[in-house]
Amino acid sequence: EVQLVESGGVVVQQGGSLRLSCAASGFIFDDYTMLWVRQAPGKGLEWVSLITWDGGATYYADSVKGRFTISRDNSKNSLNLQMTSLRTEDTALYYCVKGGMEMATITWFDNWGQGTLVTVSS
Amino acid sequence: DFVMTQSPDSLAVSLGGRATINCKSSQSVLFSSNNKNYLAWYQQKPGQPPKLLIYWASTRESGVPDRFSGSGSGTDFTLTISSLQAEDAAVYYCQQYYSIPPYTFGQGTKLEIK
Repeated sequence: EVQLVESGGVVVQQGGSLRLSCAASGFIFDDYTMLWVRQAPGKGLEWVSLITWDGGATYYADSVKGRFTISRDNSKNSLNLQMTSLRTEDTALYYCVKGGMEMATITWFDNWGQGTLVTVSS
Repeated sequence: DFVMTQSPDSLAVSLGGRATINCKSSQSVLFSSNNKNYLAWYQQKPGQPPKLLIYWASTRESGVPDRFSGSGSGTDFTLTISSLQAEDAAVYYCQQYYSIPPYTFGQGTKLEIK
């Protein structure tokens, strides 16, 4: 069974930094693109970032480019999101997400964690 | 960027009835070389993460009841839920994965069961 467990969400002041982590299990981690998707309170889904299965390529939403950095450690089956220069509009539930197709960047999302809440206060 | 627009924003359908949710993409998500539509549907119940229902516009994810079906091609897609059950009450999202970045979602459609 695929499990994705996020951690690291806290209340942080505007301008601050935070590191989110996701522990993955139940699948061959280094075969899949991994992503972060966020959801502001009461709002819809917004894709944030992705990293390919080998860590060779990363992509970011314009709203976080230059402030967030995605990384993965395939030896530890872990995914991370380093967040800096946080803004109040970054307040959201951050989901760790698994790509649906092996070794594919362009893919649907087939498994989601429960999410970790990041609150940026002013 | 591809803009995904769902309609309606919300709907209420009777138990046992049929719900139809539409999704329109600002550009075609049909890849001509493999004739596949790069569109997925997700269900999100309150307090839960989204759950994949359908990919390639019409392929049901393993374990998803056959009451859920996806159709359409190019820019216009439909999620149909037949024989509605109480547990189908949720917000439904479409998503394109044809052109990234960014992956883009529709705004969501809230389904209420009467």
